[in-house]
Amino acid sequence: DSGVTQTPKHLITATGQRVTLRCSPRSGDLSVYWYQQSLDQGLQFLIQYYNGEERAKGNILERFSAQQFPDLHSELNLSSLELGDSALYFCASSVGVGLAQEQYFGPGTRLTVT
Amino acid sequence: GDSVTQMEGPVTLSEEAFLTINCTYTATGYPSLFWYVQYPGEGLQLLLKATKADDKGSNKGFEATYRKETTSFHLEKGSVQVSDSAVYFCALKTSYDKVIFGPGTSLSVIP
Repeated sequence: DSGVTQTPKHLITATGQRVTLRCSPRSGDLSVYWYQQSLDQGLQFLIQYYNGEERAKGNILERFSAQQFPDLHSELNLSSLELGDSALYFCASSVGVGLAQEQYFGPGTRLTVT
Repeated sequence: GDSVTQMEGPVTLSEEAFLTINCTYTATGYPSLFWYVQYPGEGLQLLLKATKADDKGSNKGFEATYRKETTSFHLEKGSVQVSDSAVYFCALKTSYDKVIFGPGTSLSVIP
């Protein structure tokens, strides 16, 4: 158990809908990362927050947005969902920022868009 | 741009065989390098890391050395066990905090 929690575990929704994925980092970790894992794209970095502020951005679509709240939990919002958004979404956390920081991954949320 | 290339497998080995999973990278500057492991139905777990050239990361019998001259970070284990069956990801982290993962290598160890 990494100490990172993600809810829900599974989510099934229809095209065009909007969903929110939630992540609680390990106690004491200030940095949160979001990743998308799919069979065709592999593991893709989406976005990182540090202490409430956006710090790094990867291959995140405009239909997706995220935020980190004062209690340090983070939410990833996915809107106008398409079939291709079906994937595993992972959250990870680390104590701070920097090259050597280790990330601890949550168990993931499996999103299925029908 | 920055990228990670690793052998995709799947790799199938007998128990107690020697394991090598190749990983090479392209990056500007001096990234940190990581190996993560993903067991079926679980999230990724950090296996080992190296933060500068010639550093050797090691954990649970796995080793990898950061080779700047060959831009490589190959994962090795002298004697694999059935419990090592998983998907292994090589990753780099840049100074901008972006983390780039390789495609993953699936390993199956048979008794």
